[in-house]
Amino acid sequence: EAGVAQSPRYKIIEKRQSVAFWCNPISGHATLYWYQQILGQGPKLLIQFQNNGVVDDSQLPKDRFSAERLKGVDSTLKIQPAKLEDSAVYLCASRPFSGGRNEQFFGPGTRLTVL
Amino acid sequence: AQSVAQPEDQVNVAEGNPLTVKCTYSVSGNPYLFWYVQYPNRGLQFLLKYITGDNLVKGSYGFEAEFNKSQTSFHLKKPSALVSDSALYFCAVRDRQGYSTLTFGKGTMLLVSP
Repeated sequence: EAGVAQSPRYKIIEKRQSVAFWCNPISGHATLYWYQQILGQGPKLLIQFQNNGVVDDSQLPKDRFSAERLKGVDSTLKIQPAKLEDSAVYLCASRPFSGGRNEQFFGPGTRLTVL
Repeated sequence: AQSVAQPEDQVNVAEGNPLTVKCTYSVSGNPYLFWYVQYPNRGLQFLLKYITGDNLVKGSYGFEAEFNKSQTSFHLKKPSALVSDSALYFCAVRDRQGYSTLTFGKGTMLLVSP
C-alpha cells in the first residue's frame, strides 16, 4: 500500500512570496489533515477535511493560509504572503475513517524556509 | 481543552537497558492515546495506541505503553533499548467526541548509546 505522498520535500522562499504544498493521501482515506511542525514543537493541526468538506480550520491563519481538497482526494495548502514565522515542516496525514480510534498516517513532510 | 505533557526534552539510555518516555494528558472524558516516532527528515510513524480494554498496550518494534487513568499517564516503555531506537517520540491524545482533533506533546528525544 502506497503511503501519503507530499511535494515538494523542501522549499526556500523570501518573505512575502507565496508557496503551495501538495498532498496525495492513501487511497480510500476519507479524512485528511494538514499540520505545521515548528522546530522543537509537536505538530499543530491547521485544517482537517472529511472528504472534500472542512471539519476543523480553527487554527488556520486564514488571512494568509488557504487549503482545498477538490474531489475529496488530493489537497493543496497555500501560504500567501509568507512570513518568517511560517518556517516549519508542513505535514499531511490521512485516516481511513472518521472514527477517532484509528491512527493517522503521515507523509514525509515539506520543509519550508522563509528568508 | 485537551493537552499533552512530555516533561523530558531528552532521555538518554544505554543499549540493552530498559527505557521509559513519559507522557501525561488532560482531556474531558475518556481518551484515545497514541505514540508516534519521528526519524530525521521523515514523517511521523505510528507506534501504538490505547483505545479500550487492557491497560498495557503492545506496539511496533517491541515498544509498549501503560495507560493509567488515575495518574492520567501513558508512558512509553521498552525492556531493552537499541541504538536504532534513537529518534523523536511524540505522545498524542484526543477525546471520543465527534470530530475532535489529535493534540500532540512537544516530543522527547531518545538517545540510545552503544
